[in-house]
Order: sequence, then structure tokens, then C-alpha cells
Amino acid sequence: GDSVTQMEGPVTLSEEAFLTINCTYTATGYPSLFWYVQYPGEGLQLLLKATKADDKGSNKGFEATYRKETTSFHLEKGSVQVSDSAVYFCALMGGSNYQLIWGAGTKLIIKP
Amino acid sequence: GAGVSQSPSNKVTEKGKDVELRCDPISGHTALYWYRQSLGQGLEFLIYFQGNSAPDKSGLPSDRFSAERTGGSVSTLTIQRTQQEDSAVYLCASSQRPGNTETQYFGPGTRLLVL
Repeated sequence: GDSVTQMEGPVTLSEEAFLTINCTYTATGYPSLFWYVQYPGEGLQLLLKATKADDKGSNKGFEATYRKETTSFHLEKGSVQVSDSAVYFCALMGGSNYQLIWGAGTKLIIKP
Repeated sequence: GAGVSQSPSNKVTEKGKDVELRCDPISGHTALYWYRQSLGQGLEFLIYFQGNSAPDKSGLPSDRFSAERTGGSVSTLTIQRTQQEDSAVYLCASSQRPGNTETQYFGPGTRLLVL
């Protein structure tokens, strides 16, 4: 079945460092891909999405490109801030139920 | 505008009791989803509604779980004879319409603890 694998955390970086969180997927067909973020004590929020190959999603300085050839959707940000500390989830959507299939989540800790 | 709301925010119950969890989707959203977030299993899909109809209930973990949606709006997830392994955060989401490119907007969740 469809699945999502993302790098294990926690990932600890200093402020202004470059961030990459890897995400790869296995799916039949052509899923849409999503990054959601969960800030401490808050609910899941959509960060960005891409619905077809080579699409780039971007928001709040974060970017991810839908790479069909490598089945990847890696999340990047050029300069992280302390306020980016959160858990990041990669997910795909496909199938007749329109369910989101989730990675395990990556906890990001940014130190000042 | 108002987002997805869920109640209660926290629920503590004893093993064997029934619980009802409520979800109020964003007004006008026709699709509604339930997920569960637990330490051991991560985020898992439970059920999806298109209008008041749930086309596929196979994501529900056991026959103790049921869900309904009325008036194309509010949904209730019911867990009968709760077990300790049901302890989790139950998340509701809605989208404007069903579709694989649609964004699902999540509520804050109901944290269920079964003692």
C-alpha cells in the first residue's frame, strides 16, 4: 500500500541554519503531497502542498518540490528561526477515500 | 472565519464506558474526515464523509467504533466499551469538497484517556 517515510528526529539546528527534512513516498497513481506543521500545544496546520510532478509548494520561507523520478518531497528552508521549532509531517493523498497517509513526523528544535 | 471545532478538548473515561466525540466542520465544507494520533501508531485515518454518507468504513479500528454525520455538518465519533489502547488524540478535518488536491483543515483534537 501507499506509504510515506521521513527522516527521524529530533533535528537540532542553530538559528539561521539551512534546513532539510527528507521525505520519500511509495504510491500507486499520482498522489498529492503535503507538509503539515504542529507547533507546541497547537493543532495541525497545512504548511505547503504540491499536486503534480515538478510542482513547488512554498510558504513562510519553506519550499518543497514534487520529484516523481525520486519519489521525494523534501522540505527546505534557507534560514530557520526559533519560532520554526515544531513537529513537521509529510503526507500524501490518494485513493478513493481521499485519506492523508502520514509520515512519522520530524521534531525540529531551533536553538538561539 | 471559524475553523474546525471539536469537543470536548479532553476526555478521561474508565475502561468499558462509551464516549462521544463531536466535530463541527468549517461552514460549507462538504467533506469531513476523522483521524487518530497516538504515540505508538502515529497518525492514522479512520473514516471519511461525503455529505452525510461514509463510503468506506474500513479504516475504523474495530466494531466498537462508529461515526455519523447529520445535516451535512456536525459529526460524532462514538467509541463503545472503551479500552486503554483507545487512548489517543482524535482529530477531525474538513475540506471544501472531496478530492485528492483539496486541503484538509484540522481541528484542535480531542485528547482521550482511558483509565
